[in-house]
Amino acid sequence: DAKTTQPPSMDCAEGRAANLPCNHSTISGNEYVYWYRQIHSQGPQYIIHGLKNNETNEMASLIITEDRKSSTLILPHATLRDTAVYYCIVRVHSGYSTLTFGKGTMLLVSP
Amino acid sequence: DSGVTQTPKHLITATGQRVTLRCSPRSGDLSVYWYQQSLDQGLQFLIQYYNGEERAKGNILERFSAQQFPDLHSELNLSSLELGDSALYFCASSVMGDPYNEQFFGPGTRLTVL
Repeated sequence: DAKTTQPPSMDCAEGRAANLPCNHSTISGNEYVYWYRQIHSQGPQYIIHGLKNNETNEMASLIITEDRKSSTLILPHATLRDTAVYYCIVRVHSGYSTLTFGKGTMLLVSP
Repeated sequence: DSGVTQTPKHLITATGQRVTLRCSPRSGDLSVYWYQQSLDQGLQFLIQYYNGEERAKGNILERFSAQQFPDLHSELNLSSLELGDSALYFCASSVMGDPYNEQFFGPGTRLTVL
């Protein structure tokens, strides 16, 4: 799986959009970008994933650059409950591929 | 609530002992994954089972073993415990063949080795 680079921490004001960047410059053509988050000491939670098109679900939006070397996870209206560590993971879309977690980005949402 | 259950929630034991952590996957999920999260190593994949068979191995020590039973629940056995084995142990499950292969994580078991 390709390596990812994320900032160690970010701050966001409640109600504002949180934009979390991820660099994956060595991504290969069959690898997807996945985002998970982990609220303090809880099990990680799936957020969203994509290949090359932008994706949106009820939790977030994922913007992938045209060259696929980087992506941004957008939480449109951050709440205090969005405070968590966010992990960007690049993996092959296979039932047998596993998740390799890096250090992620600690997002702190403040009132 | 992810639908994945893990027992016990907390476990305190001594060095040299053996413990068993239990995981029940979501209904219908055939794949079970085990992860270890410690302060210095972060979240690491240990092992994966699919329908009773081992499918992938990560950074699992030889002192650790796992199995998945016919009813699809899984157990992680940790033996000859050392202080460094103190960590959060997560189980996750997924549906093989699900195109999204989303993994659903349980609440974890916090193991403290004294």
